[in-house]
Amino acid sequence: AQSVSQHNHHVILSEAASLELGCNYSYGGTVNLFWYVQYPGQHLQLLLKYFSGDPLVKGIKGFEAEFIKSKFSFNLRKPSVQWSDTAEYFCAVSVNRDDKIIFGKGTRLHILP
Amino acid sequence: GAVVSQHPSWVICKSGTSVKIECRSLDFQATTMFWYRQFPKQSLMLMATSNEGSKATYEQGVEKDKFLINHASLTLSTLTVTSAHPEDSSFYICSAVGSGIAISNEAFFGQGTRLTVV
Repeated sequence: AQSVSQHNHHVILSEAASLELGCNYSYGGTVNLFWYVQYPGQHLQLLLKYFSGDPLVKGIKGFEAEFIKSKFSFNLRKPSVQWSDTAEYFCAVSVNRDDKIIFGKGTRLHILP
Repeated sequence: GAVVSQHPSWVICKSGTSVKIECRSLDFQATTMFWYRQFPKQSLMLMATSNEGSKATYEQGVEKDKFLINHASLTLSTLTVTSAHPEDSSFYICSAVGSGIAISNEAFFGQGTRLTVV
């Protein structure tokens, strides 16, 4: 069964700092990869997704992620964070597009103004 | 985009009673719906997968007699927490997958239901 591991549980950055959140998955076959964000008191929102094609995926709000198949990784990046990026970020994986999505434990990001 | 709505958004119930949570796909037909549970400051844990017109498939460790799932139509799935106890207090989230060019078999999430059992 597929699983997802997020390396950082809690990250604190100052505004304008660059961000990289690690995500590794375990599954031997083709996967679909996602990053979701959950702002305080709000529901999950999809930041970006990878199904196939260009391994560098650009999402909303200036976020991007790179799928590196050899490393089983899908790290999330943003060159310059804002205070409004304070939220919890979840990496997730599914095997088929209509299959269940398995989530990592999440990374709580706190941006200092 | 596709919208998934849960009702209620929050509910408080007495221990021993049952609570029903609805998950609706508002503008698409959901062939598959998933139910997740999220404890405070933790990730989403998949509870079960339901397909319209068939029995739900439960993840290991989830009691199917306690968490009854019904997917009666292509736009509605319900989760009933039977004989609720304080340890069932949690945030329950559904997601729905449909078909069609516009939504490309992606999963869309509801806003969640916060259940508090007292």
